[in-house]
Amino acid sequence: NAGVTQTPKFRILKIGQSMTLQCTQDMNHNYMYWYRQDPGMGLKLIYYSVGAGITDKGEVPNGYNVSRSTTEDFPLRLELAAPSQTSVYFCASYALGGAGYGYTFGSGTRLTVV
Amino acid sequence: EDQVTQSPEALRLQEGESSSLNCSYTVSGLRGLFWYRQDPGKGPEFLFTLYSAGEEKEKERLKATLTKKESFLHITAPKPEDSATYLCAVQAAGNTPLVFGKGTRLSVIA
Repeated sequence: NAGVTQTPKFRILKIGQSMTLQCTQDMNHNYMYWYRQDPGMGLKLIYYSVGAGITDKGEVPNGYNVSRSTTEDFPLRLELAAPSQTSVYFCASYALGGAGYGYTFGSGTRLTVV
Repeated sequence: EDQVTQSPEALRLQEGESSSLNCSYTVSGLRGLFWYRQDPGKGPEFLFTLYSAGEEKEKERLKATLTKKESFLHITAPKPEDSATYLCAVQAAGNTPLVFGKGTRLSVIA
């Protein structure tokens, strides 16, 4: 199993550009999450989804959008990139009642906005 | 608002020098407390889930304990490969998303 796959691993954007961070999981997990991690800070929740067609805002949703058309995919869209969006982005998935009960994280996308 | 505070921010240990990391939390109805390990440039890796006060879990040199207000991650006779950032997170009742602390950066020197 590949687990949670995130692409790209690194990206540099110019202010005002847009991009989509991709996240795919092959574990048939219903729950998926997007977090961002800034230096010295913990993980902050951007958006999450409890199943295909259902999404909800987290703590820091401004400047981002998500969609969940399939169980496997949960892309994160950045519109009009700003320097404040420079961060490392992690996608995670989770199965209610699954083994270990913990989230499975991807390896992250490091985004720099200049 | 659910909150998680981890201390210390950074900890430097000699190989074999045991210590503990602290995670204090406030949450409306704890469903679970989670410990993760994060290596540089990688995503967090799940270690433990604790569900109720008094519960303990162990894995190799790590032991996690839980009270009604805090959790401890005890590291016994650490090795350099234990060097990482350790993250604590809580989940409130209702299967809400995890809320993370800022982490403790552990360095174990040979």
